[in-house]
Amino acid sequence: DVKVTQSSRYLVKRTGEKVFLECVQDMDHENMFWYRQDPGLGLRLIYFSYDVKMKEKGDIPEGYSVSREKKERFSLILESASTNQTSMYLCATTFGGRAYEQYFGPGTRLTVT
Amino acid sequence: AQKVTQAQTEISVVEKEDVTLDCVYETRDTTYYLFWYKQPPSGELVFLIRRNSFDEQNEISGRYSWNFQKSTSSFNFTITASQVVDSAVYFCALSEVSGANSKLTFGKGITLSVRP
Repeated sequence: DVKVTQSSRYLVKRTGEKVFLECVQDMDHENMFWYRQDPGLGLRLIYFSYDVKMKEKGDIPEGYSVSREKKERFSLILESASTNQTSMYLCATTFGGRAYEQYFGPGTRLTVT
Repeated sequence: AQKVTQAQTEISVVEKEDVTLDCVYETRDTTYYLFWYKQPPSGELVFLIRRNSFDEQNEISGRYSWNFQKSTSSFNFTITASQVVDSAVYFCALSEVSGANSKLTFGKGITLSVRP
């Protein structure tokens, strides 16, 4: 079974803090994704990566950056957290190509106060 | 740009009722893939089904069935004899080519509540 883990289930940070969310997968998948999920808005893609050190902006990249130094690990960085970044953050992975389903981690619920 | 519309936002049924979740999509691609995911209260999205644009056969898996109709750009999901454990948020998604790779466009999700 594919295992996708995220560093925290719940996180509380203060406005202005730098926040790191980590995602690790154990299936040697090439593509990794970060989404945020908000009520009434569904899942929105923030960034994705199709190879080590490669990244591509999704639909809502503003205020976020990412890092992929190793194939199994994909980090989402909030350079200066703001209250409008309070959300559920979901990581996903896939082999690559549009035919393959994505596998999701359990999510991190981030609250910025 | 691709788009997935799940017009129903919340559905509430009594156990053992049948329920259909609607999904309508827009795409210019001739080859594409459609997906359904389930998100139970625990939060982790679970993959349910994938369908490619060349396969319009309906699919049945136990109490779940899917109806794909290219003519109406729809990919609807029916749960027969619903159970409390079916309570979840259900997402329909469409794959999209992005450069040399692909990404998913999700609908906004349908919250299904099944009451005992």
